[in-house]
Amino acid sequence: GQNIDQPTEMTATEGAIVQINCTYQTSGFNGLFWYQQHAGEAPTFLSYNVLDGLEEKGLFSSFLSRSKGYSYLLLKELQMKDSASYLCAVMDSNYQLIWGAGTKLIIKP
Amino acid sequence: NAGVTQTPKFQVLKTGQSMTLQCAQDMNHEYMSWYRQDPGMGLRLIHYSVGAGITDQGEVPNGYNVSRSTTEDFPLRLLSAAPSQTSVYFCASSYAPGTGNEKLFFGSGTQLSVL
Repeated sequence: GQNIDQPTEMTATEGAIVQINCTYQTSGFNGLFWYQQHAGEAPTFLSYNVLDGLEEKGLFSSFLSRSKGYSYLLLKELQMKDSASYLCAVMDSNYQLIWGAGTKLIIKP
Repeated sequence: NAGVTQTPKFQVLKTGQSMTLQCAQDMNHEYMSWYRQDPGMGLRLIHYSVGAGITDQGEVPNGYNVSRSTTEDFPLRLLSAAPSQTSVYFCASSYAPGTGNEKLFFGSGTQLSVL
């Protein structure tokens, strides 16, 4: 079966760096997405990786290793507004999205 | 720029009632979809459409119907509501799969409770 694994919850301190991991087993691969979802709101797009390596976008980066079925989202200089759930999703060979259950990130002052 | 407009925001139904969740997008996206989100689980695809007149079932289609008569609109119908359908529902749209531009734009969500 197809599966996405990510930690259920993480805690970090304001101003620090946090890495949220995502491992996947899917039928084929057509890209990996990260979305941010604040409580009570809709998910919003953060990043898309289809090739191996690191994509940097200011205060966050996303990394992909297709051979290892692994990605991470790196958030730097954490702010209280970064408290949210982070969803990892993989697009399989049929272009269907397989979603992880999300990682709830708690930022402490 | 409206994006994806989803209504209603909240709804309470009694078991056996029917209702329609509305979804409209103004980005000329070919792909539209409906998800449900339950605590501790990933988003689960209910139904999707790759263009007007074309719909298909997702992972959890039972108890739901959809239609796509125009590019803009993709309503979700609950035929006979059951407590198991209590959930948060999201409509989402994107450009067609395979274009390399598949990032989803989500509606604001509907919190549905079935008593």
